Amino acid sequence: EDQVTQSPEALRLQEGESSSLNCSYTVSGLRGLFWYRQDPGKGPEFLFTLYSAGEEKEKERLKATLTKKESFLHITAPKPEDSATYLCAVRGSTLGRLYFGRGTQLTVWP
Amino acid sequence: NAGVTQTPKFRVLKTGQSMTLLCAQDMNHEYMYWYRQDPGMGLRLIHYSVGEGTTAKGEVPDGYNVSRLKKQNFLLGLESAAPSQTSVYFCASSLRYTTYEQYFGPGTRLTVT
Repeated sequence: EDQVTQSPEALRLQEGESSSLNCSYTVSGLRGLFWYRQDPGKGPEFLFTLYSAGEEKEKERLKATLTKKESFLHITAPKPEDSATYLCAVRGSTLGRLYFGRGTQLTVWP
Repeated sequence: NAGVTQTPKFRVLKTGQSMTLLCAQDMNHEYMYWYRQDPGMGLRLIHYSVGEGTTAKGEVPDGYNVSRLKKQNFLLGLESAAPSQTSVYFCASSLRYTTYEQYFGPGTRLTVT
């Protein structure tokens, strides 16, 4: 059974306090690991796709990395506007399927 | 370029009523998906389509039907709504190949009383 686990469930950071979110996964034949950001009352917004261990992607204060069993979303010097729920999803060999984690709710206070 | 749009944004139904949610995308994507999002459960796939005229079941298909008569539209139907179907419904689409990212609509909040 494919599974995605995100930790922590919630994270509170002071502005400028860097940290990492974790996404661990078990999937047959990884076809991609995806990070999304979701603001309250809105749909998930695509951030990154990672395909193979060792790969890294960056966007502004966010950096995503991938190993064979987990991915990290590093947030450097976060700002209050980075507050959101961050979702991780993986696609395995089953056509069309994305398996989502439950998300990490990030709050950055001034 | 509107991306993925969903109609309606909010709806309240009584148990046993029926309704259809409409999803439209203008990105010429082949794949389209319907998810539901419940507190503490994450996003779960209801049905999906890999092309016009095709549909397939996802994780939680019971109580829902779908149709993809046109490439740009994907409809989700509830024939007889139940309180357990109270949720936020998201439509998504992706380019043809399975490794491509999915783009989501703004969601429909459905309450069944």
